[in-house]
Amino acid sequence: TQLLEQSPQFLSIQEGENLTVYCNSSSVFSSLQWYRQEPGEGPVLLVTVVTGGEVKKLKRLTFQFGDARKDSSLHITAAQPGDTGLYLCGFGGTYKYIFGTGTRLKVLA
Amino acid sequence: NAGVTQTPKFQVLKTGQSMTLQCAQDMNHNSMYWYRQDPGMGLRLIYYSASEGTTDKGEVPNGYNVSRLNKREFSLRLESAAPSQTSVYFCASIAGASTGELFFGEGSRLTVL
Repeated sequence: TQLLEQSPQFLSIQEGENLTVYCNSSSVFSSLQWYRQEPGEGPVLLVTVVTGGEVKKLKRLTFQFGDARKDSSLHITAAQPGDTGLYLCGFGGTYKYIFGTGTRLKVLA
Repeated sequence: NAGVTQTPKFQVLKTGQSMTLQCAQDMNHNSMYWYRQDPGMGLRLIYYSASEGTTDKGEVPNGYNVSRLNKREFSLRLESAAPSQTSVYFCASIAGASTGELFFGEGSRLTVL
């Protein structure tokens, strides 16, 4: 079973600060997804990364896939209270889709 | 579009009671999933169905059974509920092989007393 570990587990920052969260595994991913989940809702897809070394940007969010495709990071620039939520990385190999342990982010106004 | 619909949204059970969580998707997706999410935690895979007629165990299958009734519906059954099964349960679906986007239901909050 492939285990996805995310760090940090919790993060509380002030509005305007930058932050990075990480997703790591000992195995190689064919692709990896990042989701955000808000309270009382299901997760929603933010991005899919496929190629080693790939960088994708979504407004103030920057996603990077490690060269060896074993790790990924999510960087948020100038965080806003609307970024508050649970950030999950996920991977689906042969249909068995699993998620990382999650990073719970709180951005204070 | 409804997307993924789960019922019930809330349920309270006593230890030892049984119940079935229902899930239906109207996106013609092949694969469906059941996850549980404990307070402050990520999602853990209970069971999944790669296609109609097949089901497989996930990370935490003990105490649960599933049925892929047809392409649209995937149910999760607790035969004898235990307090450790108190959680929020999410159903999800995906169009094809697990490299794409999962679509989630709104969740079912289950409390076992």
